Formats: sequence, structure tokens, C-alpha cells
Amino acid sequence: AQKVTQAQTEISVVEKEDVTLDCVYETRDTTYYLFWYKQPPSGELVFLIRRNSFDEQNEISGRYSWNFQKSTSSFNFTITASQVVDSAVYFCALSEANSGAGNNRKLIWGLGTSLAVNP
Amino acid sequence: NAGVTQTPKFQVLKTGQSMTLQCAQDMNHNSMYWYRQDPGMGLRLIYYSASEGTTDKGEVPNGYNVSRLNKREFSLRLESAAPSQTSVYFCASTRVETDTQYFGPGTRLTVL
Repeated sequence: AQKVTQAQTEISVVEKEDVTLDCVYETRDTTYYLFWYKQPPSGELVFLIRRNSFDEQNEISGRYSWNFQKSTSSFNFTITASQVVDSAVYFCALSEANSGAGNNRKLIWGLGTSLAVNP
Repeated sequence: NAGVTQTPKFQVLKTGQSMTLQCAQDMNHNSMYWYRQDPGMGLRLIYYSASEGTTDKGEVPNGYNVSRLNKREFSLRLESAAPSQTSVYFCASTRVETDTQYFGPGTRLTVL
């Protein structure tokens, strides 16, 4: 069965610290996508990144970076020099097995990691 | 582009009342989804619509019905609201090519 595990329920750091959010997934698919979303205190869900299973290159976007390792089925997210504005719940998600040609695949969601960045 | 819009933003119902949550997207996306979010439970899929004219049950469909009115609009109906349906409801949509879901701002529903 497909599954996404975010073992860290809550993390608290002081501003400017680096922090890594862990995401471990299970799937039998050879082709799949992994995602990270951010949910700030205002409540909206914001898409951050999508990664194809064939592309294991790390990705960096400003202070954000993502480390995808198929060997350990992990897709971890690191925030460098954290800021108070990074305080949010972060969700990792995995696309479900294809249910048929032309259909969008559903996403399997982790339970989220709540990150508090304190000044 | 407004993206995904949801109405209302907040709603309070009494047990047994009915209501419809509206969702619309202007991104020409094929698939649309309804989720509920409860503390500690993450996002749970209620119903989804892979394309106009089709709908399918998700993880927690009981007590809900949906209508894919056209390509833009996907509504969620509670026929007889129960306190267990107190939650934040999110609508999302996605293109065929990417599986990336884009979310509306959410509806906070309280059932007394």
C-alpha cells in the first residue's frame, strides 16, 4: 500500500537555524511524483515543489532545498537560515498509482509537520 | 486569474441543516477534489472528479454528495449536517499533465 510518513509532528527552532523536515514514502510504482505543500497560519495550502521519480537531482530555491533519495524512499525538505515567516505546517504528498489513462492521480498525504520559528 | 475560489469562507449550521459548498476554478483544469482537514488527521479526500461528468468517492464520502456542474465548478453538499462534519473544507484542482493540486482558500464549517 502507498503511504507517506512525516515522523516529526512538531519542530521548534530559533530564527536563523537550519531545519530539515523528513518525508518517507512507500510505493510499488516505478513512476510517481512527490510534493511538498506549505500551510501557513492563515490556512491556505501553497504548492512548493513537485519531483518526478526519475529525477533524483537535489533542488534548491532560495533558502529552500529538497533532497530526494530513492534508495531510502525519502524526500526531505531543508530550510536554511529559517525565518519567522517560515512558521507553518508542511505537508509531503505522493501521487497514487494511475487509475486509468487520462485520469489525474490522487495524492497520498502525510499528516504534516508543524514548524515554529521563534525570534 | 482567481485560481480556485470557494464560498462561503465560514458557515455555522445546526445539526440536521443542509448546505452546499461551492468551488470554481478558472485554470481550465480537468480534475477537481474535495478534502476535509481536521486537527491531527491531515487532509482526507471526500470526493473527486477526474473530468466533467464523472465523480468518485474518496476516503471519507459518507454524509456528502457532490456535483460536477461543468468543467469549472464542483460543489459539495451536506444533506443533513452532523457535528462530526465540523471541519475545514478545501477544494483543489489539477491539470492532467502534472498531478499538482492547487487549492482554494478553504471553508471553515461548524455544526452545532
